[in-house]
Amino acid sequence: EVQLVESGGGLVKPGGSLRLSCAASGFTFFTAWVNWVRQAPGKGLEWVGRIKSKTSGATTDYAAPVKGRFIISRDDSKNTLYLQMNSLKTEDTAVYYCAAVITGTPADPYFDYWGQGTLVTVSS
Amino acid sequence: EIVMTQSPATLSMSPGERATLSCRASQSVSSNLAWYQQKAGQPPRLLIYGASTRATGIPARFSGSGSGTEFTLTISSLQSEDFAVYYCQQYNNWPPYSFGQGTKLEIK
Repeated sequence: EVQLVESGGGLVKPGGSLRLSCAASGFTFFTAWVNWVRQAPGKGLEWVGRIKSKTSGATTDYAAPVKGRFIISRDDSKNTLYLQMNSLKTEDTAVYYCAAVITGTPADPYFDYWGQGTLVTVSS
Repeated sequence: EIVMTQSPATLSMSPGERATLSCRASQSVSSNLAWYQQKAGQPPRLLIYGASTRATGIPARFSGSGSGTEFTLTISSLQSEDFAVYYCQQYNNWPPYSFGQGTKLEIK
């Protein structure tokens, strides 16, 4: 069974940092492209960023609002995805989901599995 | 950046009725479009990819159509468990993978 379990959320002050983790199981993690998607309270889905598999170069891309502040990385030996969030702003408050491309391909990178999410609150 | 626009924002319908949700892209995304369902307190669930292919385990009452810039999600006969928020997402031109703002399907 595919599982994605996020952790690391919590309350942080503006300007602070936080690192989220997403532990994966039930599929071949090292071949998967993996994304972070966030959802502010009562709002829609916003793509945050993505890291490709090592075989695709493990390159990262980010949404404009987080570029230069957030860093996505992966540790394939631990089947874990990370999101390092720096210089946090109140508008970064959201539930953060990891979402994997498992049955999809690099040509069809739809998000077929999602974690349950972890809440990040940025407030003084 | 491709902007995805969904309509209507809210759709009020009764169980057993046919629901039609629309999604428009600001430029062509070919058939690289997915639909997700999200219930309160839950993560999104993939329903449709490639504009018209149902994901594993998705009932046949869900169907997707369209290509280019105009897409439709149809639920042929609404069940109680179908009342939720639905999002479209393009994955043709990335980054970013843009989502629509969502359509809330509510019980009339």
